[in-house]
Amino acid sequence: SAVISQKPSRDICQRGTSLTIQCQVDSQVTMMFWYRQQPGQSLTLIATANQGSEATYESGFVIDKFPISRPNLTFSTLTVSNMSPEDSSIYLCSVELAGANTQYFGPGTRLTVL
Amino acid sequence: QQQVKQSPQSLIVQKGGISIINCAYENTAFDYFPWYQQFPGKGPALLIAIRPDVSEKKEGRFTISFNKSAKQFSLHIMDSQPGDSATYFCAASISGGYQKVTFGIGTKLQVIP
Repeated sequence: SAVISQKPSRDICQRGTSLTIQCQVDSQVTMMFWYRQQPGQSLTLIATANQGSEATYESGFVIDKFPISRPNLTFSTLTVSNMSPEDSSIYLCSVELAGANTQYFGPGTRLTVL
Repeated sequence: QQQVKQSPQSLIVQKGGISIINCAYENTAFDYFPWYQQFPGKGPALLIAIRPDVSEKKEGRFTISFNKSAKQFSLHIMDSQPGDSATYFCAASISGGYQKVTFGIGTKLQVIP
């Protein structure tokens, strides 16, 4: 498995501001992902964070709203830009270990937008 | 389109009872079926997983039953304990290179003493 940490664990933000969430893994991984989990809901994939290239976004998510960086094989950031109350959610990063075909999740960042 | 249908969405079980959560999938290309357990304030954690070449996999009190012809799989929690109270997600993916994991809607399980 992998040990994944996220910062911050939670935040309360004002409408119109931006928040950057960090994800750190204790080993080098090829695949890193960002998910959103709205209260009481399932997990929705936002994008795949590719090392050294632009992230791959799922339908309904755009780079201007959710810019992602992946500077190396152990770290990624997700920025939630120009936030509105609808962005209040838990944001999770996950990694897939080579050959494991299984995703391991970080503890999540609970975001509240006022 | 929800490709993995999960039921029930909530479940209350008495301590010592059996908790059963069911999932059905549509894409016959799926060949890996993990279950995740999520406690409040935590990220989902892999609980148990199965591939369609076996009909059942057991790990402690947790058992996955798999019916390939019906495209259904289920999680059984034997001797359910209050500490099992959590949200459970079934999921499905395709092996070989990276494939997106499709999650069910989740089942909130409450085990009452």
